[in-house]
Amino acid sequence: GDSVTQMEGPVTLSEEAFLTINCTYTATGYPSLFWYVQYPGEGLQLLLKATKADDKGSNKGFEATYRKETTSFHLEKGSVQVSDSAVYFCALRSWNQGGKLIFGQGTELSVKP
Amino acid sequence: DAGVIQSPRHEVTEMGQEVTLRCKPISGHDYLFWYRQTMMRGLELLIYFNNNVPIDDSGMPEDRFSAKMPNASFSTLKIQPSEPRDSAVYFCASSSVQQGSRAGELFFGEGSRLTVL
Repeated sequence: GDSVTQMEGPVTLSEEAFLTINCTYTATGYPSLFWYVQYPGEGLQLLLKATKADDKGSNKGFEATYRKETTSFHLEKGSVQVSDSAVYFCALRSWNQGGKLIFGQGTELSVKP
Repeated sequence: DAGVIQSPRHEVTEMGQEVTLRCKPISGHDYLFWYRQTMMRGLELLIYFNNNVPIDDSGMPEDRFSAKMPNASFSTLKIQPSEPRDSAVYFCASSSVQQGSRAGELFFGEGSRLTVL
């Protein structure tokens, strides 16, 4: 079945460092791809999304490009801030499977001043 | 819009007791999802509904768990009897495929933290 694999955390960076969190997927058809963020003690919020190949999603300085040839949707940010410390989840929504949203295992990011 | 509303936010109960978690999705949304989050297993999809009909309940751990959606504005997740290993944060989420550029996005509630002693 469809699945999402993320790089394991925790990831610890200094403020203003460059961030990459890798995400690859396995899916039939043409899923939509998402990055969600969860701050401590809160629910999940959509960070960005892409609905077709070569789309780039972006929000709050974060970007990810839907790469069908490599089945990837890596999250990047050029300069992280302490406030970016959270858990990041890559996810796909498979319309071939009734609209189910499938999450990766999450990657914890800790940004130090 | 008020967003997805879950209740209770926190529940502490004893093993063997019945637990009912409630969710009010965003008005007009036609999909509703129940997820469970633990440190060990991460986010697990338990069940989801489309137009109030259960589509996939393969993630429901066992017969002690049941979920209903009697109408478009309300869903419950029930655990009877509860066990300590059910302790987790339970999230409800809703979505719509009709809302333009936001189609496909899930909107999450703030979760119900369940502790079973």
